[in-house]
Amino acid sequence: EAAVTQSPRNKVTVTGGNVTLSCRQTNSHNYMYWYRQDTGHGLRLIHYSYGAGNLQIGDVPDGYKATRTTQEDFFLLLELASPSQTSLYFCASSDQDWGGSAETLYFGSGTRLTVL
Amino acid sequence: QQKVQQSPESLIVPEGGMASLNCTFSDRNSQYFWWYRQHSGEGPKALMSIFSNGDKKEGRFTAHLNKASLHVSLHIKDSQPSDSALYFCAGHDTNAYKVIFGKGTHLHVLP
Repeated sequence: EAAVTQSPRNKVTVTGGNVTLSCRQTNSHNYMYWYRQDTGHGLRLIHYSYGAGNLQIGDVPDGYKATRTTQEDFFLLLELASPSQTSLYFCASSDQDWGGSAETLYFGSGTRLTVL
Repeated sequence: QQKVQQSPESLIVPEGGMASLNCTFSDRNSQYFWWYRQHSGEGPKALMSIFSNGDKKEGRFTAHLNKASLHVSLHIKDSQPSDSALYFCAGHDTNAYKVIFGKGTHLHVLP
């Protein structure tokens, strides 16, 4: 099964702080995603990428930057963290081929971020 | 863009009972749908995919897709306490090559 590793598992920062969440997948998937999960909102897409150097805007991008440095690594950056960004963050990857059949997303175990 | 509505928000069934979860979509061009399951403390994991109208059965789980009514459902037969989890339906957004999730259904199976 596809392996997606997120770090750290837990992070606490203060308002205005600078945070980087990391994600690595080891299955050569082309697509990678960042979602946030909040009670009452489900999973919401922040940013996604279909390859190194590519970035696509998701549905809730405000306050977040992302960078895909390699096929394996995708980072989520919060440069001025706010309490509204307290959430559970998930990274996912898939071997998407929209020209043919769509593929399943494989999720990491999540990073719980608290902004005080 | 694709919108996904799930119901109910929470569902309680006795062990051995049938659990039925529902989902409606807004994108009439969408072809691909999934059910994901998330146990407490873990990331979501794909449970089933369904791409064609009709039923798809995998063990105790049956997914049903009706593209005309933009409706997908998941039925869990002989529910077990280990089925207690948060269930998401998901569909792809044909305009942007991304996957949109519903808000989830909390399933509680009581022993």
